[in-house]
Amino acid sequence: NAGVTQTPKFRILKIGQSMTLQCTQDMNHNYMYWYRQDPGMGLKLIYYSVGAGITDKGEVPNGYNVSRSTTEDFPLRLELAAPSQTSVYFCASSYSIVYNEQFFGPGTRLTVL
Amino acid sequence: EDKVVQSPLSLVVHEGDTVTLNCSYEVTNFRSLLWYKQEKKAPTFLFMLTSSGIEKKSGRLSSILDKKELFSILNITATQTGDSAIYLCAAMEYGNKLVFGAGTILRVKS
Repeated sequence: NAGVTQTPKFRILKIGQSMTLQCTQDMNHNYMYWYRQDPGMGLKLIYYSVGAGITDKGEVPNGYNVSRSTTEDFPLRLELAAPSQTSVYFCASSYSIVYNEQFFGPGTRLTVL
Repeated sequence: EDKVVQSPLSLVVHEGDTVTLNCSYEVTNFRSLLWYKQEKKAPTFLFMLTSSGIEKKSGRLSSILDKKELFSILNITATQTGDSAIYLCAAMEYGNKLVFGAGTILRVKS
């Protein structure tokens, strides 16, 4: 199993550009999450999904959108990139509420200039 | 507002020392407390604690949860340079959402 994979690893955007961060897991996990981590800070939840077709906002959803059309994929969309979105983005997944250890992807480092 | 506070923010020790990392939490609908180790990339899972007073151990690492006082500690004995990392504590709410602390940066000097 590849686990949780994320692409790209690095990206530089100009203010106002848009992009999609890809996240895929091959563990048949129902729950998927997007976090951002700013320097010296813990991870903050952006959006999460409890299954295909179901998404919900986390702590810091503004400026982002998600979709969950399949169990495996959970892309994160930035529509109008802003410097405040410069961060490292982590995708994670877990099987269920009972088996709820979250497995993290390697992260995407995004810089908005 | 839900919050998780870790202390100390950073710590420098020598190889062989024992360290104790602290985590306090205020989270509605608390379910579990998790510890992660983060080196250069993604956090990797260490422990999940659901019940008070039951110590979990893995090699030189151990952790315990106190649900009455709302805190957890992570102990590392006989530290090694490979233990240098950021240690993240997270409180899990119902619905599997994690609220993370800012982390403790541990540096182990040889």
